[in-house]
Amino acid sequence: GAGVSQSPRYKVAKRGQDVALRCDPISGHVSLFWYQQALGQGPEFLTYFQNEAQLDKSGLPSDRFFAERPEGSVSTLKIQRTQQEDSAVYLCASSLERPPKNIQYFGAGTRLSVL
Amino acid sequence: AQSVTQLDSQVPVFEEAPVELRCNYSSSVSVYLFWYVQYPNQGLQLLLKYLSGSTLVKGINGFEAEFNKSQTSFHLRKPSVHISDTAEYFCAVSPLGAGANNLFFGTGTRLTVIP
Repeated sequence: GAGVSQSPRYKVAKRGQDVALRCDPISGHVSLFWYQQALGQGPEFLTYFQNEAQLDKSGLPSDRFFAERPEGSVSTLKIQRTQQEDSAVYLCASSLERPPKNIQYFGAGTRLSVL
Repeated sequence: AQSVTQLDSQVPVFEEAPVELRCNYSSSVSVYLFWYVQYPNQGLQLLLKYLSGSTLVKGINGFEAEFNKSQTSFHLRKPSVHISDTAEYFCAVSPLGAGANNLFFGTGTRLTVIP
């Protein structure tokens, strides 16, 4: 596709449920990022992949959060045992180059609501 | 450590009037600077960037920004706004240096253009 694609666009989960959020980056983009955007806030960094290698996961808020990019393309962000504080929009971004000079292209996000 | 401050959470402005959205940053290292725009239910779209060179940068949709190193600011301006400019605007920095992998965002400024 022409841009970064995320699915689902909306996800409602009951507290304690596991969820998986998918990101299809722009073809050929080396770098992939996940951000969490709480209501009324700017995006906050979660994790960074260079191809299939997860080089930075310093932003993951707890060990319930896990991300993978096994073949260096599609990425999945998994949240186990969801809590209400996990409710947010999860944004994926990809870029052709590596940080810090890279231009990041963002998907429309997945809005997660935990009840 | 890095931080980005967007001083105005909401800016209402009449159509065809000029607008300035303020951004100040704090960083212990040099940074690259970005402005992104987010339309409702869409991902972030890059407006403009400062990497090096001229401190006045021009972006899409008639926006421009000026990097002021001494004041650590990167304010966004447009001489005449249009209804379609109504959106959320985010300032972001990308620090240079080893291990710096992500963008740091401000909390955003909601620009509302009044007919």
